[in-house]
Amino acid sequence: AQTVTQSQPEMSVQEAETVTLSCTYDTSENNYYLFWYKQPPSRQMILVIRQEAYKQQNATENRFSVNFQKAAKSFSLKISDSQLGDTAMYFCAFRGGGGADGLTFGKGTHLIIQP
Amino acid sequence: GAGVSQSPSNKVTEKGKDVELRCDPISGHTALYWYRQSLGQGLEFLIYFQGNSAPDKSGLPSDRFSAERTGGSVSTLTIQRTQQEDSAVYLCASSPSQGRREKLFFGSGTQLSVL
Repeated sequence: AQTVTQSQPEMSVQEAETVTLSCTYDTSENNYYLFWYKQPPSRQMILVIRQEAYKQQNATENRFSVNFQKAAKSFSLKISDSQLGDTAMYFCAFRGGGGADGLTFGKGTHLIIQP
Repeated sequence: GAGVSQSPSNKVTEKGKDVELRCDPISGHTALYWYRQSLGQGLEFLIYFQGNSAPDKSGLPSDRFSAERTGGSVSTLTIQRTQQEDSAVYLCASSPSQGRREKLFFGSGTQLSVL
């Protein structure tokens, strides 16, 4: 079974700083996708960014980018110019084959952006 | 509707009572998921529906938990004889298909409190 590990339960940075959230995973598969989801206090999770494992180029969405290291099975999220609205729980997720439609979530990182 | 709708938003019940949680997925989405999120924890998979296939119930924690999806649309998660450890946020998500690339669209969850 796949596992997803987020080693930082909570992080706090000042507004406008850059912050990196870590995520590692364990799998024997070669064809999979990785996701970062954001869960604000409203509880509704939304997709931040998605990475295909077969693509070497790191995905980027505006201020959000990833550092995907396939050999190391690492998938970190970088948030540049952080904003107060970035305060939320962030979940890393793996999707490959297997049960539960191949979806496995990490335990999350609570990110706090300080004014 | 425009998004995944869950009701009720909050539910307080007494230990031993039955509860029903409802999820209205995005129209046309064939995949539907239920997750449980305990305080400070990640997402625990409960059950997954895909089209007319038999649901994947491998995540249901006990036989007190059951779920149905009628007509391939609305889903109801039922918890019988609720216990205090059932207190959590119950999240529903839907997806256009079961492809690995597909993202999940989440509702805002039902906060269940068992007294």
